[in-house]
Amino acid sequence: NAGVTQTPKFRVLKTGQSMTLLCAQDMNHEYMYWYRQDPGMGLRLIHYSVGEGTTAKGEVPDGYNVSRLKKQNFLLGLESAAPSQTSVYFCASSFTGLGNQPQHFGDGTRLSIL
Amino acid sequence: AQSVTQLGSHVSVSEGALVLLRCNYSSSVPPYLFWYVQYPNQGLQLLLKYTTGATLVKGINGFEAEFKKSETSFHLTKPSAHMSDAAEYFCAVTAYGGATNKLIFGTGTLLAVQP
Repeated sequence: NAGVTQTPKFRVLKTGQSMTLLCAQDMNHEYMYWYRQDPGMGLRLIHYSVGEGTTAKGEVPDGYNVSRLKKQNFLLGLESAAPSQTSVYFCASSFTGLGNQPQHFGDGTRLSIL
Repeated sequence: AQSVTQLGSHVSVSEGALVLLRCNYSSSVPPYLFWYVQYPNQGLQLLLKYTTGATLVKGINGFEAEFKKSETSFHLTKPSAHMSDAAEYFCAVTAYGGATNKLIFGTGTLLAVQP
């Protein structure tokens, strides 16, 4: 049972390049989330999805786009990478959006923008 | 609006000593509270959660936390630290509103365990 799988695990980009981070979950969860983790700032929500075909903005959405074409996959895109987007990116999922539901996290993607 | 404050970004204890990681929350409604642990180069794992009912919550790896409404606190404790407890710990509270409820995380506390 893989849970939440993120690819790639590491990536180095040059400023202005684009890339897509993939998140896949095998738990049949409806809700999926993308966070970024920066030192001393905890995790901040970028975008989230409440079901296949839906997306919504989180706390820090600028510079990112997302898509949820299939229930099990949630893609995070950087169209034109900037050094400020150097971070560790985490995907998470939950069965429902109820407040008492824990989220299940992937192992993260470490992204450096030069 | 909901928020979380974790006091102490770094905590160091000796092996076998008490672990106490502090978390205070702000919420205008009864909160749902969570503690997550992050080991190096890994994602976050749920340690324990408080939703309703018993205010002393037991989690994995011998950790527990007590919800104290009067103090707006949800501190994490473990009676005896083990070397394997070295990790970063995050407190989180549910934020309501929008298309779904969301988690608001504290800034984390890095726990070091000295031999």
